[in-house]
Order: sequence, then C-alpha cells, then structure tokens
Amino acid sequence: EIVLTQSPGTLSLSPGERATLSCRASQSVGSTYLAWYQQEPGQAPRLLIYGASSRAPGIPDRFSGSGSGTDFTLTISRLEPEDFAVYYCQQYGNSPTFGQGTKVEIK
Amino acid sequence: EVQLVESGGGLIQPGGSLRLSCAASGFTVSSNYMHWVRQAPGKGLEWVSLIYSGGTTYYAASVKGRFTISRDSSKNTLYLQMNSLRAEDTAVYYCAREGPIYGRAFDIWGQGTMVTVSS
Repeated sequence: EIVLTQSPGTLSLSPGERATLSCRASQSVGSTYLAWYQQEPGQAPRLLIYGASSRAPGIPDRFSGSGSGTDFTLTISRLEPEDFAVYYCQQYGNSPTFGQGTKVEIK
Repeated sequence: EVQLVESGGGLIQPGGSLRLSCAASGFTVSSNYMHWVRQAPGKGLEWVSLIYSGGTTYYAASVKGRFTISRDSSKNTLYLQMNSLRAEDTAVYYCAREGPIYGRAFDIWGQGTMVTVSS
C-alpha cells in the first residue's frame, strides 16, 4: 500500500496569502493518478485537482497542482475566505489511499 | 443534475449488520466505477470498496470478508452490506464516482451517511 504523508498538519495563514501544501508518497505514484480534494466542515470532499496538475471543472485558477514521482504540491495563490478548509491528497495505485490531510486555518 | 444520495446509516450494536444505499441521478451507476469511502469522527478519509463497471469488486483489508459492495441497475443504486460490525467501523460513509475522465479521481460524492457502532 502506498502511504501518503501530508505536511504541514496545520497551516495558519491570512486571507490573501499564499498557501503551499505538500504530499509525499512512500513510493512513486504515476502523475495521472494523484488528486487533491477540499473538505469543508460537515461537507463531502470536493475534487480540486486531478492528474497532479489539472483543475477540475469550476475550480478557480488560484488553485494549482504540481509534482511527480513521490513529491506533489498544492498551491493556493491568494487565499479567499472560502478556502479555509482541510485538503487531502489521494493516489490511485493498486488501491486508492489518502493523505491524513492539511488544515488551512485563519491566522 | 448529477448527484449521489446515501441512506441507511444509524446506530447499530457491535456484531450487527447494516446496508447502506447510494442512489444516483444524472448518470448510470453500472457504467461507472463506484466507490465507498469512510471518515471516522475527526479523522481523515479511508477508502473502503470499489465495484468496476464489469462487476469486479475490491475491498480494503480492514473490511474484507465483512463488507460487500453491490449495485442494482434497475434502481440505479449502489449498496454496501456491512456485517460483523465493530466499533472501529464508526464513521461517515460516502459513496463516490470515479470520474471517467479525471485520472481515476473521485468527481462526484454523496453527502454521507453516519454509521455508529456502539452498545
């Protein structure tokens, strides 16, 4: 099983700031199979990024993904109030696994 | 509108059984890869099970032999039969569609149904 480790656990930032979230895999992941999700309290996850760097329909361009192999990054260029949430990376190797999540909170 | 709606959660005693349902609209369940994902209170997401369009099924090691994923094409509904439930199965259970053009990412999620296993 591929283990995904996200860092940091919590990111404290102000609106307008840049957020950089990391996702590291225990073994190489095909870029096609790396996704990012946003989850707000009490809500289902929402797909943000698929294929490591492609935005899902309707996702603002302030969200971007990058990376390959074992290291992937989600960047939010300028935080909006609605962006404060928990973010998960996911890989689809032999079976899907998720990272433990990064909480982006208001500083 | 494309959506998934789960039902069937509730309070169940350890060792008991429960069947979750996930009704789809706007697309055909049997033509897609469908998953169950769960989230224990205050915890992260855990993949549970998958059914391919061809009918092949897969399970996480933690539920294999106890849970069964299935679907009913006439009702356009996905199911998760959960037997021998344990306290550690307590979670919100989501059904999700694996997006056909999204590199196997999950593009559609239901709102979730809560399962509490407790005496």
